[in-house]
Amino acid sequence: DIQMTQSPSSMSVSLGDTVTITCRASQDVGIYVNWFQQKPGKSPRRMIYRATNLADGVPSRFSGSRSGSDYSLTISSLESEDVADYHCLQYDEYPYTFGAGTKLELK
Amino acid sequence: EVQLAESGGGLVQPGRSLKLSCAASGFTFSDYYMAWVRQAPTKGLEWVASISYDGGSTYYRDSVKGRFTISRDNAKSSLYLQMDSLRSEDTATYYCTTDYNPPNWFAYWGQGTLVTVSS
Repeated sequence: DIQMTQSPSSMSVSLGDTVTITCRASQDVGIYVNWFQQKPGKSPRRMIYRATNLADGVPSRFSGSRSGSDYSLTISSLESEDVADYHCLQYDEYPYTFGAGTKLELK
Repeated sequence: EVQLAESGGGLVQPGRSLKLSCAASGFTFSDYYMAWVRQAPTKGLEWVASISYDGGSTYYRDSVKGRFTISRDNAKSSLYLQMDSLRSEDTATYYCTTDYNPPNWFAYWGQGTLVTVSS
């Protein structure tokens, strides 16, 4: 199975920060990586698809990038509504695999 | 508006069965592969199973193979997950979501239904 190693597991952040979360794939998954935001008690929300594409309705301060087997989600100028858990997912092949998640907390 | 509504969760004893349902609306259900994703309390997301457009192909994670069965009824725009021989480690919120339909992989999610396996 493909492993998605997500880091960091948690991050203490301040409003206005630029935040970067990374997932490293254990083998080639091409562009087939999504990023999700999840708030407590809520369903995941797709933020980025195919590694770099902004999903509908997602603010432009969110962006996705890829460098080799490393995939990153960057939030520029963090706002309070962005404090949440974030998950990456590879869907290049079954079994699909998620990263372990990153929890953003306000300082 | 796309809607996915799961139902069927609840408290069940180890070794027993439960069937989850997901009612879809607002999109052409038969144009999408569909999937179940679960999340154990305070844990991360975990893909469980997927099914092709017509149900002809199914895919499972190893830990549920032989115990869970994913199915669909395109006439009713509904997705199902039959869960047999349940274990405590199956305790989770189960989400219904859209799979293959470029570019809408995992674009739409239901609100989830909680399954608790405990004696």
